[in-house]
Amino acid sequence: DADVTQTPRNRITKTGKRIMLECSQTKGHDRMYWYRQDPGLGLRLIYYSFDVKDINKGEISDGYSVSRQAQAKFSLSLESAIPNQTALYFCATRAEDEQFFGPGTRLTVL
Amino acid sequence: AQSVTQPDIHITVSEGASLELRCNYSYGATPYLFWYVQSPGQGLQLLLKYFSGDTLVQGIKGFEAEFKRSQSSFNLRKPSVHWSDAAEYFCAVGTEFYSSASKIIFGSGTRLSIRP
Repeated sequence: DADVTQTPRNRITKTGKRIMLECSQTKGHDRMYWYRQDPGLGLRLIYYSFDVKDINKGEISDGYSVSRQAQAKFSLSLESAIPNQTALYFCATRAEDEQFFGPGTRLTVL
Repeated sequence: AQSVTQPDIHITVSEGASLELRCNYSYGATPYLFWYVQSPGQGLQLLLKYFSGDTLVQGIKGFEAEFKRSQSSFNLRKPSVHWSDAAEYFCAVGTEFYSSASKIIFGSGTRLSIRP
């Protein structure tokens, strides 16, 4: 089984809808991250968390919120989706010397 | 704040030729440095990493990278590329793991194409 899983893997939604992307990990890591990937821009950090009570904004947090329900779960929400949030979203955990990425969620906002 | 620059958006090399992908970073302390590869439609795979010790690090698939503090660089090299190396490559810099702002920031990526 994969160490970092993301659901859904693909999602098409409409402008103004609320959507949640979920991430679960079995690696036992405290640190978890959400990134979005856009062509030519690489991966940009949205939010990161060191534990259930420690949430931090990344480079591009506007329009997003997160919830760390447990050490193993870190969810990303778009309260009112807009087309420029169409992207590939990655969840990751971090050990000291490496990050472990989920397979990604491809989100399309029409 | 740390940042990463990959100055080459797209590089094309011939199969069997040598490769060097450039990466420059900005960070006040000793960084954690990484190279990841992403094949089309796939997730990210770690190629190699550096955070202490020998400044020349070996990775998977025949890749290596050299940390040069004086130049704030961590360039990726391979002596002879294969068609299967065609992918997008990301350099990343991480802050101190135990700091209150521990995070990893990625460059914008370099897309590698291989000429037969």
